[in-house]
Formats: sequence, structure tokens, C-alpha cells
Amino acid sequence: SQTIHQWPATLVQPVGSPLSLECTVEGTSNPNLYWYRQAAGRGLQLLFYSVGIGQISSEVPQNLSASRPQDRQFILSSKKLLLSDSGFYLCAWSVLRDQFFGPGTRLTVL
Amino acid sequence: AQSVAQPEDQVNVAEGNPLTVKCTYSVSGNPYLFWYVQYPNRGLQFLLKYITGDNLVKGSYGFEAEFNKSQTSFHLKKPSALVSDSALYFCAVRAPNDKIIFGKGTRLHILP
Repeated sequence: SQTIHQWPATLVQPVGSPLSLECTVEGTSNPNLYWYRQAAGRGLQLLFYSVGIGQISSEVPQNLSASRPQDRQFILSSKKLLLSDSGFYLCAWSVLRDQFFGPGTRLTVL
Repeated sequence: AQSVAQPEDQVNVAEGNPLTVKCTYSVSGNPYLFWYVQYPNRGLQFLLKYITGDNLVKGSYGFEAEFNKSQTSFHLKKPSALVSDSALYFCAVRAPNDKIIFGKGTRLHILP
């Protein structure tokens, strides 16, 4: 069966520090991969999605970037974090029509 | 443009009563519709989906959803609510470009 991992589960970082969040998927090949941010326990904002290795689409201009170095690995990064980057970051994957989510990373920028 | 609307920020239901969480959608072509549930500090869990076929879709934890093409709705329902059903519920639709578009979420409170 398919499994999606995210780490770390929680992260506290100072403003201006770099960020790297990792997401990996097991049990499937060539999935579409997604990064979402959820603020204040409500709506989901799609940040990036990828249909293949090295193929990244950005949904909103911001302080973040994404990379897909391997088929089942999706990384969210920032060179310098802002206070507004705080939130709950969710990775998701889809094959065909269904989409499944990872457990999320709670990022607090101080 | 594709969109999903969840008109209620919060729904309160007494335990044992039936519950409905509303969702309407706008999409070109045939809609692929989903419901997800999110518990505090957790990822979204898939509840059910409508692709084609019967308008009444059954999912996890006793939930079901009714697809209504004429009203472009996909309301989530459960005949008898449990306190443990209290969570944040998201309706979603798959757009033609394969992106999933989510509603803003509805917080469901089941009162004991």
C-alpha cells in the first residue's frame, strides 16, 4: 500500500533562517506531488505541484521554493524565513484521480 | 473557473442527530468530488469520493454524500452523529488540469 512521510513533524525556526521540509512517498510510481500550506486551521493554499522529476509549478509568488530530485521525493525550501511563513505544511500525492495527504509539518517562525 | 463553496464556517449538531455539511461546486466537464476530514494537528484523511455512478456515495466512518447535478451540490451526511465526528471537513473538486481545489472547510461540533 502507499504511504507518505513528512519530516520533521514540528519545527521552530528564527526569522531569516533557511528551511528544508521533506516529503517522500512509498508504494507508487510517478505520482503527482503537492505542497499545501494551511493557516490558522482552516483553508488550504496550494503552493507547488509537480508532475515529474524536476517539474515544478508554483501557484503563488512567495518566499518558498520546491524541488523534486527523485520520483518520490518532494522538498520545500526557503533561503530566509519570514514570520508569515508560519503554518501547517501538508504534502500530498495523487495517481489517477485520488489525492492523499501526509501527516503535516507545523512550522513556527519566531 | 473551478471552485468549491462550503457556505457554513461551523455546524453544531447534538449527538445522535443526523448531520449535514454542505458543499456546492463549479467545474467544467464531469466533476470528480471528494470529502476529507482533518483532526487537530493532523493531515487530511480521505472520506469518500464521487466519480460516476450512484448519486449516493458511501465512505468511511459511516459518512455518505449525495451528488446532485442539477443543484451542483455534494453534501456530506451521517444519520447519527458521534462526538468523535467533531473535526474540520473539506470538500474538494478535481479540476481538468488535475489540481484539487478545496473549499475553505467547515468545522463540525457534535454536542454531547
